[in-house]
Amino acid sequence: EAGVTQSPTHLIKTRGQQATLRCSPISGHTSVYWYQQALGLGLQFLLWYDEGEERNRGNFPPRFSGRQFPNYSSELNVNALELEDSALYLCASTGPLFHEQYFGPGTRLTVT
Amino acid sequence: DAKTTQPPSMDCAEGRAANLPCNHSTISGNEYVYWYRQIHSQGPQYIIHGLKNNETNEMASLIITEDRKSSTLILPHATLRDTAVYYCIVRSLSWSGGSNYKLTFGKGTLLTVNP
Repeated sequence: EAGVTQSPTHLIKTRGQQATLRCSPISGHTSVYWYQQALGLGLQFLLWYDEGEERNRGNFPPRFSGRQFPNYSSELNVNALELEDSALYLCASTGPLFHEQYFGPGTRLTVT
Repeated sequence: DAKTTQPPSMDCAEGRAANLPCNHSTISGNEYVYWYRQIHSQGPQYIIHGLKNNETNEMASLIITEDRKSSTLILPHATLRDTAVYYCIVRSLSWSGGSNYKLTFGKGTLLTVNP
């Protein structure tokens, strides 16, 4: 069974640009979570998508947005990039019981 | 969700059992205890979870005290590949407006397994 996949592995952008990160959940999982892990900080919850809808978001500005497609894959968009957006962005999917979250390898975003 | 307290770091000899403690004195009756670990620069990995009873799977054992105010994750035979940050998380799965089943990660315990 394939795990959660994320692309790209690394992404380098300049300040003010937009970044798009992608996530494919485990087959059969309908919920996708996005987390940000900045250097020296813990994992911070960003967004939760379930059945194509945004269910909740963490304490992040509106320039962090995303969507979930009919096949349950998800996209995270970060507009007007700032230097402090440099971080590892992790996607996780969960099955119907919500107990286990399975994480992808992450996308390392660097903003210069 | 209840807050957890873990030691910042621990060492363990390869082949020995690693016992990682976690305090969650404010845990409520419907909150589960979860353990995840994160090997450097990788995504976190689910290990085990429990509510009241002790649990065991192929990776680890989870011992929860009778009053549920603390727990211990046991890696029975630690290997070098078990070197990671281990996170103890308490979370409710009761749906209440705004609840989103997110995981709230603290600082965790850096377990270093030494040869």
